[in-house]
Amino acid sequence: DQQVKQNSPSLSVQEGRISILNCDYTNSMFDYFLWYKKYPAEGPTFLISISSIKDKNEDGRFTVFLNKSAKHLSLHIVPSQPGDSAVYFCAASAPPGANNLFFGTGTRLTVIP
Amino acid sequence: GAGVSQSPSNKVTEKGKDVELRCDPISGHTALYWYRQSLGQGLEFLIYFQGNSAPDKSGLPSDRFSAERTGGSVSTLTIQRTQQEDSAVYLCASSSPGHRSYEQYFGPGTRLTVT
Repeated sequence: DQQVKQNSPSLSVQEGRISILNCDYTNSMFDYFLWYKKYPAEGPTFLISISSIKDKNEDGRFTVFLNKSAKHLSLHIVPSQPGDSAVYFCAASAPPGANNLFFGTGTRLTVIP
Repeated sequence: GAGVSQSPSNKVTEKGKDVELRCDPISGHTALYWYRQSLGQGLEFLIYFQGNSAPDKSGLPSDRFSAERTGGSVSTLTIQRTQQEDSAVYLCASSSPGHRSYEQYFGPGTRLTVT
């Protein structure tokens, strides 16, 4: 039972344009959301996060939006760069102790120069 | 580097054999997690260690899987009598105590292939 879903396995975007990666979740108890980025042969690296009390968090070119009523979050990358090409995982955590994160299946982003 | 390290990076084993995977977390990180990623799947939680507390083993798929963490640092994941469905990338992560404990730092993983 996949509680965090990334329905787009892949996305291609032209360099300089906006990349939008989407994530849906089913568990209303999730209170913290994260995006991880993964290059081949490396472990995922933390990118950006958002608490459920917010609807937007921005860090440089990366912005995460959270729509709690729709149980949906998205990651915007603007402008996209070829170095952003990687697999992006959405993850969620439920209170109280965040013993583990629930991950989506990932979206492979390719930024075309 | 001071990141999470895992060994071996690749392991090929015959069905029925036991394997041990090792994780060295970031120094000072009290929490340690094991996940696995099967082909085409997301990361699947296996087990969680926090300090001296009893581990959360709720994600272990069968009793063939076990893990220990010695001295609050290095962890070993053991899979006994491996099966082909155990083939996956096994990822270890650690995090520090405090409000950013959600942010987990991952190692490069061990790719296990059971033939």
